[in-house]
Amino acid sequence: DIVMTQSPDSLAVSLGERATINCKSSQSVLDSSSNQNYLAWYRQKPGQSPTLLIYWASTRESGVPDRVSGGGSGTDFTLTITSLQAEDVAVYYCQQYYTTPFTFGPGTKVDIK
Amino acid sequence: QLQLQESGPGLVKPSETLSLTCTVSSGSISSSSYYWGWIRQPPGKGLEWVGSVFYTGNTYYNPSFKSRVMMSVDTSTNQFSLRLSSVTAADTALYFCAKGLAYRGRYHVPFDYWGQGALVTISS
Repeated sequence: DIVMTQSPDSLAVSLGERATINCKSSQSVLDSSSNQNYLAWYRQKPGQSPTLLIYWASTRESGVPDRVSGGGSGTDFTLTITSLQAEDVAVYYCQQYYTTPFTFGPGTKVDIK
Repeated sequence: QLQLQESGPGLVKPSETLSLTCTVSSGSISSSSYYWGWIRQPPGKGLEWVGSVFYTGNTYYNPSFKSRVMMSVDTSTNQFSLRLSSVTAADTALYFCAKGLAYRGRYHVPFDYWGQGALVTISS
């Protein structure tokens, strides 16, 4: 199985500041034939189901503001939220869908400082 | 807007079978464009993919569930189902049903629509 790790476990950021979350996979999730990274990011607000933010490592899901962005390739990825808003308080998960079993990272909790 | 709703018993006894149904509304489960999946989340913990199913009945399961898991689709009712047998307390979780992103009918996709989740507790 591909093991997904995230760092930090949690972070507190002031309103309007930048939050950066890292995700690492135990093996590459890059499909060299398509040059696509099979990596997604989700946000889960307290008491809610996860919502898809980013897929193919950097493609923003419809309706996601452009202050949320994803980057990276191969085994190392980042999710960046510029100008953090109160509504961004949540747990963020990365997920690889390159190979089954699809696996998720342990999550990173984002709070307001 | 597509909506998914899980339903089923909230309490199951150890060694018995957990059965959940996901009802899809404002969309057809028979679409050839995407898969449907189950993901679970133990209380206070992270997410675990259980498996995915296509409207034809084609399935992909997480091997960690070995032969305990079975998924099916009922196109006449626009529902898909999860059965997990021989449950233990470790199977206590919030079970989400979800839709796979439309991408050439492939199952190697993330999930773009999720139900609100159904809490299933395994206890005698």
